[in-house]
Amino acid sequence: GQQVMQIPQYQHVQEGEDFTTYCNSSTTLSNIQWYKQRPGGHPVFLIQLVKSGEVKKQKRLTFQFGEAKKNSSLHITATQTTDVGTYFCAPRREGGSEKLVFGKGMKLTVNP
Amino acid sequence: DTGVSQNPRHKITKRGQNVTFRCDPISEHNRLYWYRQTLGQGPEFLTYFQNEAQLEKSRLLSDRFSAERPKGSFSTLEIQRTEQGDSAMYLCASSLARPASGPHTDTQYFGPGTRLTVL
Repeated sequence: GQQVMQIPQYQHVQEGEDFTTYCNSSTTLSNIQWYKQRPGGHPVFLIQLVKSGEVKKQKRLTFQFGEAKKNSSLHITATQTTDVGTYFCAPRREGGSEKLVFGKGMKLTVNP
Repeated sequence: DTGVSQNPRHKITKRGQNVTFRCDPISEHNRLYWYRQTLGQGPEFLTYFQNEAQLEKSRLLSDRFSAERPKGSFSTLEIQRTEQGDSAMYLCASSLARPASGPHTDTQYFGPGTRLTVL
C-alpha cells in the first residue's frame, strides 16, 4: 500500500526562525495536498500541488513538489505563534483512488 | 455557516451500544468522505460517496460500520456494538468533483468532527 512519511514528526522553534518539513512517498503521486490542524481543531486545507517541480507560496509558507512527484516540502519563514499546529501532507497516488492518505503529521510548537 | 457540519460534536457511549453520526456537507458538493483520527495520528480514510453512491470502503470499515448518503446530501455513519477501540474523532469532509477536471483534483473541506468515547 501507499506509504507516506513526514519528517520531522515534531519541531520546536523559536519565534522568528525558519524551518522545513518534508513529506516522502514510496510511489509516484498524482498530486499532494497540505493541511493544517490547530490543537483541538480539524484539518484545514492549505494548498494543492499538481505539477512536477511546482512551487507555490502563501505569505510566509512555501510549498514545493518534487521533480519526480514522490516528495514535497513545506517551508515556513519567520515563524509566529499563530503557526502552531500539526501540518499534514495528504497525497494521492498516481492511478490510485480519490481518498487522501495522510502522514502522521509534523507537530509544530513555537517559543515566543 | 456554509461549511461542513457534523452532529453530535461529542458522544459518550457504553461498550456494546450503537451510535450514529450525521454529516451535512457544503451544499453544492457532490462528494462526501468519512475519516477517523486517533490521538497523534493523521486522519484515516473510511469511505466516500459521490452523490448517493458509495464508491470506496476501507478495510478499516468492519461489518459493524455502515455509512449512507440516501439523497446525495447529508450522510450518516453508524457503528454497531461499539468497542473501546472505536474511540476516536470521526471526521467528515466534502468536495466538488468536476469530471472535466480529471481525477484527484477535488479539494476536501473538513467538518469539526464528532468525538466518540466508548466506556
